[in-house]
Amino acid sequence: AQSVSQHNHHVILSEAASLELGCNYSYGGTVNLFWYVQYPGQHLQLLLKYFSGDPLVKGIKGFEAEFIKSKFSFNLRKPSVQWSDTAEYFCAVKKGKSSGDKLTFGTGTRLAVRP
Amino acid sequence: GAVVSQHPSRVICKSGTSVKIECRSLDFQATTMFWYRQFPKQSLMLMATSNEGSKATYEQGVEKDKFLINHASLTLSTLTVTSAHPEDSSFYICSAGEPTRFHEQYFGPGTRLTVT
Repeated sequence: AQSVSQHNHHVILSEAASLELGCNYSYGGTVNLFWYVQYPGQHLQLLLKYFSGDPLVKGIKGFEAEFIKSKFSFNLRKPSVQWSDTAEYFCAVKKGKSSGDKLTFGTGTRLAVRP
Repeated sequence: GAVVSQHPSRVICKSGTSVKIECRSLDFQATTMFWYRQFPKQSLMLMATSNEGSKATYEQGVEKDKFLINHASLTLSTLTVTSAHPEDSSFYICSAGEPTRFHEQYFGPGTRLTVT
């Protein structure tokens, strides 16, 4: 079964600092990779996704992620965080593109940005 | 586009009663919807996959008689927590696969259930 690891459980940064959140998955086949964000009191929103092609994926709000197949990683980055980026971030993996394919979530990383 | 709603957003019920939570895809038809449970400060745990017109597929360890799922139409799935107990208190989130976007899942805002 596939699994997803997020090594940083809680990250505290000052505004303008750079961010990198780690995500590793365990599945040898073709995967679809996602990063979701959950702002306080709000529902899960998609930040970005990787299906195929360019391994450097750009998402909303200045976020990007790089798929490194050899490392089974899909780390999330942002060069300069803002206070409004305070949220919980989840990495997720899906094996296929069929309707019944399940998302497997990592444990999440709680980011707090100090103004 | 691709909006998913849940109702109610919050519900408080007494121990032993049943609660129904609705999940609707507002602007697309979803053959598959998913139900998750999220404990405080934890990740989303998939409870079951809801397939329109057929029985739901439950994850290991999820009691199908306790968490009844019905997916009667392409835009509506319901989760009924039967004979609720305080340990069922949690945040329940649904998602729906959008078929024109490789079944990418779109999430509802969640329902916070508190059982007293």
